[in-house]
This record gives sequence, C-alpha cells and structure tokens, in this order.
Amino acid sequence: DAKTTQPPSMDCAEGRAANLPCNHSTISGNEYVYWYRQIHSQGPQYIIHGLKNNETNEMASLIITEDRKSSTLILPHATLRDTAVYYCIVSTQGAQKLVFGQGTRLTINP
Amino acid sequence: DTAVSQTPKYLVTQMGNDKSIKCEQNLGHDTMYWYKQDSKKFLKIMFSYNNKELIINETVPNRFSPKSPDKAHLNLHINSLELGDSAVYFCASSYRGFDEQFFGPGTRLTVL
Repeated sequence: DAKTTQPPSMDCAEGRAANLPCNHSTISGNEYVYWYRQIHSQGPQYIIHGLKNNETNEMASLIITEDRKSSTLILPHATLRDTAVYYCIVSTQGAQKLVFGQGTRLTINP
Repeated sequence: DTAVSQTPKYLVTQMGNDKSIKCEQNLGHDTMYWYKQDSKKFLKIMFSYNNKELIINETVPNRFSPKSPDKAHLNLHINSLELGDSAVYFCASSYRGFDEQFFGPGTRLTVL
C-alpha cells in the first residue's frame, strides 16, 4: 500500500503556480519523497525527489516540512501541458520498487 | 532516440492465448522493471531485474514469465491469457540504487 495521501484532484489556472500537497506522516528516516507524473496515455515521468532539504530542478520545486511528514510539489508557471496525474511516493533509495498511490489529477485551465 | 521502447503498443488477443511484450532501453541502465496499470489506473510493480537477475517478483501469477537476455532488454511472456490480464503494461529502467526510473510508452493488452 502507498504510504502517502494526496487530494484526488486539483485545478490551477495557466501561468499560475500549482502547489500539490502530499502527506506522508509515517515516513522513515531513510526514506525519500519522490514525485512522478503521468500525462494521459503515457508512461510515468520522474519529476524530482528529496530527503529533507528543499530541492529545485528545471521542472519543479519540492518543499519538505521540517518534520518530514508532508511535502509540496510546486510547478512555478503551470502550462496546459502540465495537466496530468501527479504521484507522491515515499521510498528508500534503491528499493527498486516504486509504490504508486492514486495520485492527484491536476487540471490546468486556460 | 527513444530511451525505453516497448513493442507492440497495442495487443488484442483471445483468452487462453500466449503472448509476449518486448522492452528495450538504450540508456545504459542496469535495472529494468515491469509495471501493470489496470482499468482503475492503479500502477503496480510486477518484476524488477538487475543485470539479468530477478530481484523483485510481486506475487505475480506464474503465467507471467519475464526474460532478460541482456541488461538492455526485459521481455514479458504471458501464458494462458485471462480477461483480468487486460491492462496497460509499462516497462521502466534505472541505474541500480537510484529510483529515477524511465518509463516506456506502455503496451495496451486487451484480452477478449
């Protein structure tokens, strides 16, 4: 079973920041938070991951709370192509087994 | 160039048949995976292979037999297909020890 809880759906206006929350209250000290997304009919795509520090790459930013029980994925300037299901996954690095939950269906509106 | 490719993209077959799905990655990764996404869109790991060696088998029926001829290929053979096998099957790859997995485009299997 997935160790994370995410809202089933969210909407965001094009050009605005999309903030996707994830709760992982039972996360262990050696577990990372990973984010993937799945655009309709495509394979999942890795976005970002982090352990306890905030992370940023060309796609998104990941903010992890100090107690590590929750995190937020931020897409700074959402476009229509960002419409997808976003999955928050907790896993030890190298576990070789991503456990996907139901994810958040993010819809970017023009 | 396609990083992780799967063939075929669509597969329609009758119950009881045997079919194979092929996966190839050109990323130089040493670990490959098969995932199944059912009609309710749940995505679940089936197998993972590292350097041609089976690492994870998530209680998948033994009608499913993965085969890795080399570390760039991981094929999935399914015997005696059942209606419940209808799903989208995704292949993925990564470096061992890293969970940034690269997924293929998927194979939609429909069993009639």
